[in-house]
Amino acid sequence: NAGVTQTPKFRVLKTGQSMTLLCAQDMNHEYMYWYRQDPGMGLRLIHYSVGEGTTAKGEVPDGYNVSRLKKQNFLLGLESAAPSQTSVYFCASSSTYNEQFFGPGTRLTVL
Amino acid sequence: GQQLNQSPQSMFIQEGEDVSMNCTSSSIFNTWLWYKQDPGEGPVLLIALYKAGELTSNGRLTAQFGITRKDSFLNISASIPSDVGIYFCAGQLGYSSASKIIFGSGTRLSIRP
Repeated sequence: NAGVTQTPKFRVLKTGQSMTLLCAQDMNHEYMYWYRQDPGMGLRLIHYSVGEGTTAKGEVPDGYNVSRLKKQNFLLGLESAAPSQTSVYFCASSSTYNEQFFGPGTRLTVL
Repeated sequence: GQQLNQSPQSMFIQEGEDVSMNCTSSSIFNTWLWYKQDPGEGPVLLIALYKAGELTSNGRLTAQFGITRKDSFLNISASIPSDVGIYFCAGQLGYSSASKIIFGSGTRLSIRP
């Protein structure tokens, strides 16, 4: 099992550009999450999904959109990137009552 | 909103020393979690605590769920170089994955050669 994988690992965007981050899990988990991690801060939840076709807002959802069209994939979109969205993005997945498994992260820089 | 105060922010210790870090909150949590993050990796769960007063070990790591349900600590005994990394506490309001998790800001552990 690959666990949780994220694509891409690194990306540099110019302000106003758009992009999509892909998260895939092969553990048949119902729940998936997108977090951002900034220096000196813990992980903050952006959006999450409790099942295929459903999404919900987390703590810091503004400027992001998500989609869960397939159970194994959770996409995070930035429609118009801003420098404040420079961060490391982590995807995670879990079954109902178990621990969250995290991906390796995507380092995004917005110039 | 809920916040976790994690301390210390960073630690420099000698190999072989014991390490102690803690998290406190003004909110009550039903689950406390401790994660470790290695450079360039995502966090990995070390210990999960589900009951006030619970003391749980994982090898050289020991964590406790505070009686008030507002705090938790993590101890590492006889530290070794691979213990280097960032340790995060997290409080969860419920018991299922649907419950909100609040992360602390992390404790960066470094070991003097």
